[in-house]
Amino acid sequence: EVQVVESGGGLVQPGGSLRLSCEASGFIFSNDWMHWVRQVPGKGLVWVSRINTDGSDTSYADSVKGRFTILRDNAKNTLYLQMSSLRPEDTAVYYCARDLPGPHFYLDVWGKGTTVIVSS
Amino acid sequence: DIQMTQSPSSVSASVGDRVTITCRASQGISSWLAWYQQKQGKAPILLIYDASTLQNGVPSRFSGSGSGTDFTLTINSLQPEDFANYYCQQGDNFPLTFGGGTKVEIK
Repeated sequence: EVQVVESGGGLVQPGGSLRLSCEASGFIFSNDWMHWVRQVPGKGLVWVSRINTDGSDTSYADSVKGRFTILRDNAKNTLYLQMSSLRPEDTAVYYCARDLPGPHFYLDVWGKGTTVIVSS
Repeated sequence: DIQMTQSPSSVSASVGDRVTITCRASQGISSWLAWYQQKQGKAPILLIYDASTLQNGVPSRFSGSGSGTDFTLTINSLQPEDFANYYCQQGDNFPLTFGGGTKVEIK
């Protein structure tokens, strides 16, 4: 079964750091771009970041640029999101998603999400 | 950044109805648009990409159309399992952007 499973969420104080992980299975992880998307409960979806197949090229939303780093370990079939200088507005459910193979950017496999709460 | 505007924000419909949701991009994106369904507390599911291509396993009552800046998701003969939130997303360039969502509710 093709799936991705996020972990690492939790409660963190403002200014703190957290690393999210996303373990992939059922597909050749090293062949696919990957993304992080977040969602405040009851609100819409917001794209956060993406990484290419070997990790050499990344993109970020302006709201997280300079604070978040997307990484991958193809040997471990795992995607990461290193988050630092966290703010209350970073509180959300964070989803890991696979990029649908092709020339444009759609998300065809999503995890169930992991919840990050930034609060003192 | 490309802004995506969905309408309506919510729609009430009955089982068997046809529902149409629209999405407008702030600039032309050719056909590079996706639609997702999300149920409460669940992850989104890709329904349609490239504006009109049905993702594997998605029922044929879902269809998409449009190009440039104006797009439509149509659900024919609404089923009980279709009551959910729907989002459009432009797949043209980064940052990827989503519409604000449309909630399809039971009338």
